[in-house]
Amino acid sequence: NAGVTQTPKFQVLKTGQSMTLQCAQDMNHEYMSWYRQDPGMGLRLIHYSVGAGITDQGEVPNGYNVSRSTTEDFPLRLLSAAPSQTSVYFCASSRPGLAYNEQFFGPGTRLTVL
Amino acid sequence: KQEVTQIPAALSVPEGENLVLNCSFTDSAIYNLQWFRQDPGKGLTSLLLIQSSQREQTSGRLNASLDKSSGRSTLYIAASQPGDSATYLCASPTDSWGKFQFGAGTQVVVTP
Repeated sequence: NAGVTQTPKFQVLKTGQSMTLQCAQDMNHEYMSWYRQDPGMGLRLIHYSVGAGITDQGEVPNGYNVSRSTTEDFPLRLLSAAPSQTSVYFCASSRPGLAYNEQFFGPGTRLTVL
Repeated sequence: KQEVTQIPAALSVPEGENLVLNCSFTDSAIYNLQWFRQDPGKGLTSLLLIQSSQREQTSGRLNASLDKSSGRSTLYIAASQPGDSATYLCASPTDSWGKFQFGAGTQVVVTP
């Protein structure tokens, strides 16, 4: 199993550009989520999905869009990049259910917005 | 809402000493608690997951305890090594689907 994979590893954007961060998992996990990690702010939840076709907002959803058409993939779209979106983005997945929801993380995407 | 706190933010110990890392949470009706390790520039690696019904969980040199009444979890790393240098984070789900609340982490340096 590859686990949780993310592409690209690094990305530089100009203000106003759009892009999609890719996330895929091969563990058949229903639950997937996106976090951003900033110095001094810790990990903050952007969006999450409890299954194909179902998504919801987390703590910091503004400026980001998600969709979930398959169990395996959960892309994160930046609609119009802003310098405040410079961050490290992590995708995670887990099985739902109280007793079994160990989270598995991808390696991250480092995004710089100029 | 579950709040998770980790103090101290940074810790330095000499090699061979036991490490004790603290994690506090506000809601004692905790579902479970997970400990992660993060190396610089890398993703999070799951270390231990303690279920609500458990008091502790062990893996090799790592032992994590859970005390719901006091709102604390402690991660013990025995006989620390320089390779244990990393940031350690704890997290707990805020709902049954697994939305997690993370602590800010404790950055550990083990000096040879």
